Amino acid sequence: SQTIHQWPATLVQPVGSPLSLECTVEGTSNPNLYWYRQAAGRGLQLLFYSVGIGQISSEVPQNLSASRPQDRQFILSSKKLLLSDSGFYLCAWSVQSGNEQFFGPGTRLTVL
Amino acid sequence: QKEVEQNSGPLSVPEGAIASLNCTYSDRGSQSFFWYRQYSGKSPELIMSIYSNGDKEDGRFTAQLNKASQYVSLLIRDSQPSDSATYLCAVNGGNQFYFGTGTSLTVIP
Repeated sequence: SQTIHQWPATLVQPVGSPLSLECTVEGTSNPNLYWYRQAAGRGLQLLFYSVGIGQISSEVPQNLSASRPQDRQFILSSKKLLLSDSGFYLCAWSVQSGNEQFFGPGTRLTVL
Repeated sequence: QKEVEQNSGPLSVPEGAIASLNCTYSDRGSQSFFWYRQYSGKSPELIMSIYSNGDKEDGRFTAQLNKASQYVSLLIRDSQPSDSATYLCAVNGGNQFYFGTGTSLTVIP
């Protein structure tokens, strides 16, 4: 069966510090991978998606970036965090576009 | 801009009743529709997917799709306190999903 992991589970960072969140998927090959952010009391905002290694599509211009160095690894990064980057970051995978997406446990980020 | 609209609630129903959650979407080309359940502080969990007009049943859950009216709904029969959560509607559009902001459901014992 497929499993998706995210770490860390929680993170508290000062404004201006760098960020690296990691997501890995087990039990499947060449998945579509997604990064979402959910701000308090708000809906899911798609940040990036990837259909293959090195292929990243950005949905929202911001100070975040994403990379996919391996087939089942997806990384979300920032060089300098803003207060507005606080939120619940979710990684998801699907077999292909249009199919069900399955979410990881999430990382709760607080920027102070 | 592709939109997915849900009544934010909160929706309260007594235990054992039927809970009805509704969702409308703007993109007529959408082909895949999903319902997720999200407990407070947790990640969304897939409940149902539906691709064709009509009803799809899975246990106590029934998803209903009407593409002509651009409307998808979720019925929860025999609601339990453990069903208390936020329910997210998702609609595909190209390579991505568009999510509604969710409906908060409380089942009162």
